[in-house]
Amino acid sequence: DAGVIQSPRHEVTEMGQEVTLRCKPISGHDYLFWYRQTMMRGLELLIYFNNNVPIDDSGMPEDRFSAKMPNASFSTLKIQPSEPRDSAVYFCASSQPLNGQPQHFGDGTRLSIL
Amino acid sequence: LAKTTQPISMDSYEGQEVNITCSHNNIATNDYITWYQQFPSQGPRFIIQGYKTKVTNEVASLFIPADRKSSTLSLPRVSLSDTAVYYCLVGGARSSASKIIFGSGTRLSIRP
Repeated sequence: DAGVIQSPRHEVTEMGQEVTLRCKPISGHDYLFWYRQTMMRGLELLIYFNNNVPIDDSGMPEDRFSAKMPNASFSTLKIQPSEPRDSAVYFCASSQPLNGQPQHFGDGTRLSIL
Repeated sequence: LAKTTQPISMDSYEGQEVNITCSHNNIATNDYITWYQQFPSQGPRFIIQGYKTKVTNEVASLFIPADRKSSTLSLPRVSLSDTAVYYCLVGGARSSASKIIFGSGTRLSIRP
């Protein structure tokens, strides 16, 4: 059973460039979450989807960040334009729809903005 | 918000039992308590989940008192590979995102 798959694992780019992070959730999971992790702020929830629909994006830091889920097996998190302070590890997680079901995380994308 | 409070760090030795306690004074009636483990360069990994009393699986036990305002993760006979950050999370998949707060976690260091 494949887990949550994220790509790329590492991304290094220059400030001002567009960055797109990708996530494939576990099949059958109706919830998808995007997190950002830094030393200073720990794990922060950015946005989550239920059945491909964004439910709460209050954690998205600013308009430079956007997330989409065009179908049940794919989601993207885009940063445009990127800034050095966006450097972090970005995690995607998915879970089944029942209350209390645990989240299953991918191994993350380590993003470095120069 | 279902905020949690955990010790920032703990140290122990191989073969010992380790207990990490998490406080969650404003836990809601429908909230579950979930613990995750995170190794460097990996995403958090589910360890155990419970609602009340005691839950045990092949890697850990979770003790939850009757008032559910705290919980204790128990790791029996730890090894060096248990060195990781452990997060206590209160809530559920249907909770509002504002309730999904991982907190700073407990950095557990196991020594030989």
